Amino acid sequence: DTAVSQTPKYLVTQMGNDKSIKCEQNLGHDTMYWYKQDSKKFLKIMFSYNNKELIINETVPNRFSPKSPDKAHLNLHINSLELGDSAVYFCASSLRQPGTGDVYGYTFGSGTRLTVV
Amino acid sequence: GENVEQHPSTLSVQEGDSAVIKCTYSDSASNYFPWYKQELGKGPQLIIDIRSNVGEKKDQRIAVTLNKTAKHFSLHITETQPEDSAVYFCAATQSGGSYIPTFGRGTSLIVHP
Repeated sequence: DTAVSQTPKYLVTQMGNDKSIKCEQNLGHDTMYWYKQDSKKFLKIMFSYNNKELIINETVPNRFSPKSPDKAHLNLHINSLELGDSAVYFCASSLRQPGTGDVYGYTFGSGTRLTVV
Repeated sequence: GENVEQHPSTLSVQEGDSAVIKCTYSDSASNYFPWYKQELGKGPQLIIDIRSNVGEKKDQRIAVTLNKTAKHFSLHITETQPEDSAVYFCAATQSGGSYIPTFGRGTSLIVHP
C-alpha cells in the first residue's frame, strides 16, 4: 500500500529529449508537490498544486511543467532536457486541515533519479 | 523570505551516544517546524514536528526543542542505533496551506556500531 508512488524510479535519457515522471497518492490528500534534490542533498521546491492554485517557484525553467489529471495525480513533464537537470525528483502530498486550511507535514514518494547524458 | 540554517552538516557518533542537530530560522512568522529523516535511496519521512505554541516535544528516543525568542530549534536523538544513520532535514514554515516549508541543507548522521 504505497502512499505516494512515483514512476519510473530511474530514468536515463539523452540531452534534448522530453520526458515525464508520474506521481500518484492514495492518501486522499488535496495538495501535491514536486521537489528537486541535487547532489548535495538540497531540497528545492518546484511546484505546489491543489485544485485551486498552482504555485510555481519562479526559478524553475519553463521547460518544466506539472500536469494534474485529478487530485490523486501530479505528473512532471520536462522538455528539452539538459545535463543540469540530472537530480533526484521527489513528489510529495499533504492535506489541508478542515476549517483552518493549515498543513502539517508532507508525505514524500521514494524519488526518481534522472540522469541526462 | 524564510532562511533556515542547519548544523552540523555531518555528525558521527558511537552507538548509544546522543546526537543533536540544530537549526535557526529567520522569519518570526514561522510557526511550524517539522523534521524529516531520509534513508539511502528513499524519500524524506516526517519523524517529528513542533508547533510554536510549545517548547518541547518527545517521541520515544527523539525530541525537539524550540526557542522562539532566539529563533532556533533542535532535534535530539538519545541512545542512537545504527538504523538512525540517515540524512536529517529541519524545516520552518507558516502552517497556512499556501506556505511552502523552507528546508535546511541536511545533516548526515552516521552511527557507528
